[in-house]
Order: sequence, then C-alpha cells, then structure tokens
Amino acid sequence: DAGVTQSPTHLIKTRGQQVTLRCSPKSGHDTVSWYQQALGQGPQFIFQYYEEEERQRGNFPDRFSGHQFPNYSSELNVNALLLGDSALYLCASSALAGLGFHEQYFGPGTRLTVT
Amino acid sequence: AQSVTQLDSQVPVFEEAPVELRCNYSSSVSVYLFWYVQYPNQGLQLLLKYLSGSTLVKSINGFEAEFNKSQTSFHLRKPSVHISDTAEYFCAVSVSYFNFGNEKLTFGTGTRLTIIP
Repeated sequence: DAGVTQSPTHLIKTRGQQVTLRCSPKSGHDTVSWYQQALGQGPQFIFQYYEEEERQRGNFPDRFSGHQFPNYSSELNVNALLLGDSALYLCASSALAGLGFHEQYFGPGTRLTVT
Repeated sequence: AQSVTQLDSQVPVFEEAPVELRCNYSSSVSVYLFWYVQYPNQGLQLLLKYLSGSTLVKSINGFEAEFNKSQTSFHLRKPSVHISDTAEYFCAVSVSYFNFGNEKLTFGTGTRLTIIP
C-alpha cells in the first residue's frame, strides 16, 4: 500500500502565477482534505472533498480551489499567487463511509515557494 | 469554533529524562483530541488519540496523554525520551459529532522537541 502520495515534492513559482498540486489518497479512502502549513505554524484546513464535491471549507479566499476525480484523487489550485502562499501543502485522506472513527492519513506534502 | 494552544514552541530535554508537552483547547461542543508528530521533511503521523472512554491514552512508543475536561487540556508525556523522539509535535482537535473522525482538524502551532545527548 503506497499510502497518500503528493506531487510535486517541491515547486517554485513567481508572484501572480497559478499552481496545481496533486494528491492520490490511500487505497480504500474516498475523502481528501487539504491543509496549508506555513513555516513555524500548525497546519490550517483549506477544504475537504468527498464524492467530487467540496464538503467543508476553511477560511481561505476563492483563489484556492480544488477538484476531486472519480478515482478519488484530488487537485489543489491556487490562482494569483502571493508571497504569503509560500508553505507546505499537506493532503490527508480518510474513509467517510461507515460508522466509527476514520483516521486521516497525511502525505509528505508539497513545498511551494513563491518569489 | 475550536482552537488549540500549545504554549511551548520549543522544549529541549536531556536524553532519558521525562518530558511533558502542553496542550489546551477551546470548544463549545464535544471534541476528539489528537497528537501528531512530524519528523524533518516528512508529513504528519498520528501519535495517539482520545475519542471517548478512558481519559489516559497511550502510544506504542511510550508516549501517553491524559484528557482533562475540567482544565480543557490534553498534555503529552513520556517518562524517558530518546534521540529518535526529536521532532515537531502538534496537538489537534475535531468535533465529535456527525461523521466520526472526518471533520476538519484544528491544529496548534506545534512544539519542537529537541533531545540533548
């Protein structure tokens, strides 16, 4: 089992550009959540996708958007990049269906640097 | 809304000494509580969790945490630390109703644990 995978590992973009980050969930998982971890901070929840729909959203501007595909993989898109968007972007997957607690498994993250 | 406070940003500890990492939370509804560990250049790993029942929860590598509802705390402890415990530790909460374990996680700012040989 490959676990949660993310690509690319590192990315450097210029202010004003757009970026797409990708996440493949752990086998058997149908829910993907995205978090932003700025340097020296804890992760902040961006949004969660289930059944190709945005299920929950944190306090992030509309420049942050996402998508979930039928195979449950997901993309995070950020438009009009700002210097403050520089961070580690973490993807977490879990299984929504069924009773009981379902742990969120995190990927290694994508390090985005905006210059 | 929920919030998590980790007052200690850095904790240096000598090897084989005990350690306590503090976590306090605020919430108007019942929550689940978690400790995650992040090793350098890696993602987050769940260390232990409190869902219900016994207020003392333990991990397989010697860490334990105790849920104290009256003090809204969930401090992490280990009686004897090792070099391999050097990492960033994050306390987190999620609401405990609706879909179990799939609600968003709210994290603290983290505590960097450094083990001194």
